Amino acid sequence: DQQVKQNSPSLSVQEGRISILNCDYTNSMFDYFLWYKKYPAEGPTFLISISSIKDKNEDGRFTVFLNKSAKHLSLHIVPSQPGDSAVYFCAASAVGGGADGLTFGKGTHLIIQP
Amino acid sequence: DAGITQSPRYKITETGRQVTLMCHQTWSHSYMFWYRQDLGHGLRLIYYSAAADITDKGEVPDGYVVSRSKTENFPLTLESATRSQTSVYFCASRGGRVGTEAFFGQGTRLTVV
Repeated sequence: DQQVKQNSPSLSVQEGRISILNCDYTNSMFDYFLWYKKYPAEGPTFLISISSIKDKNEDGRFTVFLNKSAKHLSLHIVPSQPGDSAVYFCAASAVGGGADGLTFGKGTHLIIQP
Repeated sequence: DAGITQSPRYKITETGRQVTLMCHQTWSHSYMFWYRQDLGHGLRLIYYSAAADITDKGEVPDGYVVSRSKTENFPLTLESATRSQTSVYFCASRGGRVGTEAFFGQGTRLTVV
């Protein structure tokens, strides 16, 4: 049973526009959420995170929103740039919730069109 | 070099062989993890370690063995490789408990023929 879901395998956005990547989770014990970016043949790199005590975290062009009641988070990228083309993974973890590793979604392939 | 490194980057092995993937980090992070990435599954946790000599199973541990005699190293061994273990393997480390990000190595692409 997938606990972190990214329902869009791919997303195409025009350069300069906003990219919105979505993520849903089912485990109410999750209280820390992260987004990772992955280029081909490289390891995932950390992008931005948010604690469950917040509903928004911003870092430059990247903003993550968390809606705990809906168990939903989203990553906004504004403006989108060609270098943003990558696979984006949503991940979640829970303090004291068993395995200390991150639970990942399947990823969304973001394609920025020129 | 500082950071987290995996070796080898690419490996082809035969069914039934034992193979070990290496992971080394220079930050003295307490936590280390092994994930595998497969099409349609994303990243799945195989094993993790909270400190030297402390390891625990993740989501997909069957067929794998880990050890952590030193803080900086976390090797992953496939005792008898199977074709279903063909995958890209990522090692990661984290300095503290939940609430900090994990840093990933560049990955090992393993093919079992």
